[in-house]
Amino acid sequence: AQSVAQPEDQVNVAEGNPLTVKCTYSVSGNPYLFWYVQYPNRGLQFLLKYITGDNLVKGSYGFEAEFNKSQTSFHLKKPSALVSDSALYFCAVRPLSGGYQKVTFGTGTKLQVIP
Amino acid sequence: NAGVTQTPKFQVLKTGQSMTLQCAQDMNHNSMYWYRQDPGMGLRLIYYSASEGTTDKGEVPNGYNVSRLNKREFSLRLESAAPSQTSVYFCASSESGPLGGYTFGSGTRLTVV
Repeated sequence: AQSVAQPEDQVNVAEGNPLTVKCTYSVSGNPYLFWYVQYPNRGLQFLLKYITGDNLVKGSYGFEAEFNKSQTSFHLKKPSALVSDSALYFCAVRPLSGGYQKVTFGTGTKLQVIP
Repeated sequence: NAGVTQTPKFQVLKTGQSMTLQCAQDMNHNSMYWYRQDPGMGLRLIYYSASEGTTDKGEVPNGYNVSRLNKREFSLRLESAAPSQTSVYFCASSESGPLGGYTFGSGTRLTVV
């Protein structure tokens, strides 16, 4: 069965500092990976995805994620954090091939950017 | 475009009452999903519909039923609400195939007393 682990319930970072939100995954075959963001009282919004190709994926709002196959990781990064980045972040995975496949979400990491 | 629309946004039920959560998408997506979100547990899949005319159980289907009314609409029904069903419910849709990310509705906050 596929799974996603987000080892940190909360990440605190000072405004202007780089941020990293960690994600590791387990899936049969090649993975299709996502990051979503959830602001208070809102639904999840798509940030970025990795299918194949370049291991560094760029997404919305200046976020990027680095795919590492050997470590089965897909960490979310941003060079300079903004207070407005404070939100709940979800990593998700599904198998890339094999027809219709469900997506499995992690439990979420709360990012707090401190002014 | 409205994207994914869920109604109602808030609901309070008494134990044993029934209700239906409505979801509609206008993106011509084939697949639709119902998730519940609870603190510390992330998103858990209740039911999904890979395409019009099909529905399947997810991780936590007990106490729920679904109907894929047509390609646009996917409803979730609680036949006899229990306090354990207090949660935030999200509907989502996606294109089938490897390029389909999810589009989520804004959620329904349900409290069962």
